[in-house]
Amino acid sequence: NAGVTQTPKFQVLKTGQSMTLQCAQDMNHNSMYWYRQDPGMGLRLIYYSASEGTTDKGEVPNGYNVSRLNKREFSLRLESAAPSQTSVYFCASSGTVGNTIYFGEGSWLTVV
Amino acid sequence: DQQVKQNSPSLSVQEGRISILNCDYTNSMFDYFLWYKKYPAEGPTFLISISSIKDKNEDGRFTVFLNKSAKHLSLHIVPSQPGDSAVYFCAAKHAGNNRKLIWGLGTSLAVNP
Repeated sequence: NAGVTQTPKFQVLKTGQSMTLQCAQDMNHNSMYWYRQDPGMGLRLIYYSASEGTTDKGEVPNGYNVSRLNKREFSLRLESAAPSQTSVYFCASSGTVGNTIYFGEGSWLTVV
Repeated sequence: DQQVKQNSPSLSVQEGRISILNCDYTNSMFDYFLWYKKYPAEGPTFLISISSIKDKNEDGRFTVFLNKSAKHLSLHIVPSQPGDSAVYFCAAKHAGNNRKLIWGLGTSLAVNP
C-alpha cells in the first residue's frame, strides 16, 4: 500500500548543481502535484499535472521544471539550485484536479 | 494576499478536552473545504472535508463546521488525544477553478497528557 513515493528523502546540493526529485503513485490517479513547504509559508504549489501529458505552473514555478513521464510518475527538476530552494518538497496525487489529494512523505533539500 | 487564514499558529489543550481549530476565508467562490493533519517528517494526510452545501460533517472524533455567512470553518476534535498533536492545515477549493487547493499556513496543536 505504497500510495505516493518520492525520492530522495534527503539531499544536499551545492549552489548551481542540478538534481531531479522523483515521484510515483500507485493509485491510478490522473492528477499529480509538486509542493514546497517553508516555515511560515504553508504549502505552495510549484507545478501540477492535471492528466498524463499535461503540466501547468503553480504559484512558485521559477527555477523548476517538471516532467509527467507517464500516468504514475511526475518528476521535479532543479536545473541550477539556489539557496532559496532549500525546502521540504512534497509530491501529491489526486483522482482528478480539485479532489482530495494524497501526499508523499517529503524530500528535504538543502542548497549550500 | 492570504485567501485562507488560520490565525492561530499554535494551540495547546489538555487530553480529553475539546480542540477547536479555526479557519477563515475571503473568497465566497470556495465550494469545498478540507482539513489535513501533518506530523513532523511526514507528508500531510487528509482528515475530513465539507462541501459548501453543508454546515457540518462528522467523522468519529472529528467534526468540521462551516459558517458560510461568516466565511468561517472550524475543526473540533473531541476528545483530544496526545496522538492528535500535529500541524493542521485548512484548504479550500474554488468552484470555478479546480486547478488547485488554496492552503492556510497551519495551526500546531499540542495535546498535553
